[in-house]
Parts: sequence; structure tokens; C-alpha cells
Amino acid sequence: GAGVSQSPSNKVTEKGKDVELRCDPISGHTALYWYRQSLGQGLEFLIYFQGNSAPDKSGLPSDRFSAERTGGSVSTLTIQRTQQEDSAVYLCASSLVGSGAAVQPQHFGDGTRLSIL
Amino acid sequence: GESVGLHLPTLSVQEGDNSIINCAYSNSASDYFIWYKQESGKGPQFIIDIRSNMDKRQGQRVTVLLNKTVKHLSLQIAATQPGDSAVYFCAENIPFSGSARQLTFGSGTQLTVLP
Repeated sequence: GAGVSQSPSNKVTEKGKDVELRCDPISGHTALYWYRQSLGQGLEFLIYFQGNSAPDKSGLPSDRFSAERTGGSVSTLTIQRTQQEDSAVYLCASSLVGSGAAVQPQHFGDGTRLSIL
Repeated sequence: GESVGLHLPTLSVQEGDNSIINCAYSNSASDYFIWYKQESGKGPQFIIDIRSNMDKRQGQRVTVLLNKTVKHLSLQIAATQPGDSAVYFCAENIPFSGSARQLTFGSGTQLTVLP
């Protein structure tokens, strides 16, 4: 497709279960970002990928959170032993990498709405 | 740490009027700014961007103004329509911040267009 695709769009699971969220970036975008957005709040940065490597994992809130990206394209965000405070919308964005120091805009998917019961 | 902030959390305007959404940033080294629009249940949508070597940029019905002297960014929407109702975020890039994340997002302003 033309935009960033995320799946599932909604996920409801019981506390303690593991969940896996998927992001398919725009074709050709080498940079990929994960954010978390709680109800009525701004975007909380989680992790950034450049190709398959993750130069910045500083936003991951705990060791229950992990992410990988293989083949420089699709990324998965995994949350182990989910807690109720993990309930939020998880957004993925991708961008080109600008030449030199030129920053490129990030383009977002519609997110996965995660609810932990 | 440094952060992007917004002057008003909510803004209500009459349909057809112009809207102005403001954003204050605190890092004078920021060199790139973006405005995003987020409708309920959707991801942020890119509206317009501006680099620090400019003070004004226009798009379709939108204009972004950058005042580096007072570190202020604004988004102007002309002839506001019901479809413009959404949360608007500004984001800034702080170069050489030590982070590869590149963009720092503000907390957002809810724009409501009244009939």
C-alpha cells in the first residue's frame, strides 16, 4: 500500500499475556519509529530503527518491551507479560533518511489500540 | 529536558473563520519543525513543515510561521471547515541532541469547529 500499515488495528488481551504488534512501513523508507499514545496524550517515543539496527532504544519503558526489524522493512513490537498500564495506542512511523543533516518528515500508520483487561 | 509546548490545549472557532494554533519551543538550536493533524482513531497526518532558514511557508489553506527570535511557531488555517476538527501537534528537530529520534512532539491542541 501507499502508507504505513499496522496490524492488528485493535487488540484486547488478558493481563500477563504476550502481544506482538506489526508495522509495515512505506516502501523505500529506511527509518522506522515506534511511539505510544495514551488517551488524550501526546506521543511517547519508544524506539527508532535505521535499517535493521536500532540506534535509539531509549524510550522503551521496561525490559518487557522489545522490537525487531528484519530485512529493513517490517517491524514487530513485542510486549511480554502485559500489564494494564500498557493499554494505549501504539503508533508506527517511517521516513526517508535525508542527505547530510536534513531531517525528513515521519509518516504515521493508524496505530494498534491495545487494551489489557 | 527541553520540550515543545503549546499555548492553548483547546481552541474553538466558527466555521469559515481563520484558526491560529500556537507552539512554543525552548531549544534555539532546533532547525526543523512539522505540524501534524490527528483525527479521532487515526494516526497523525503530516500537514506542513518548515526549516529554520525560513520564516513562512504556505500550503493549501495552511500557513506556518516561524519566529526564531521568540522561539515561536504557529499554524494558520484559512476558512476553517468542520473537517479541520482534530488535535494538532507540532514537532521539532534538535540537531546533535545525542538522540537519533530526531523529532520531539508537543502535547497537542484540540481544535473544534463550530457550525
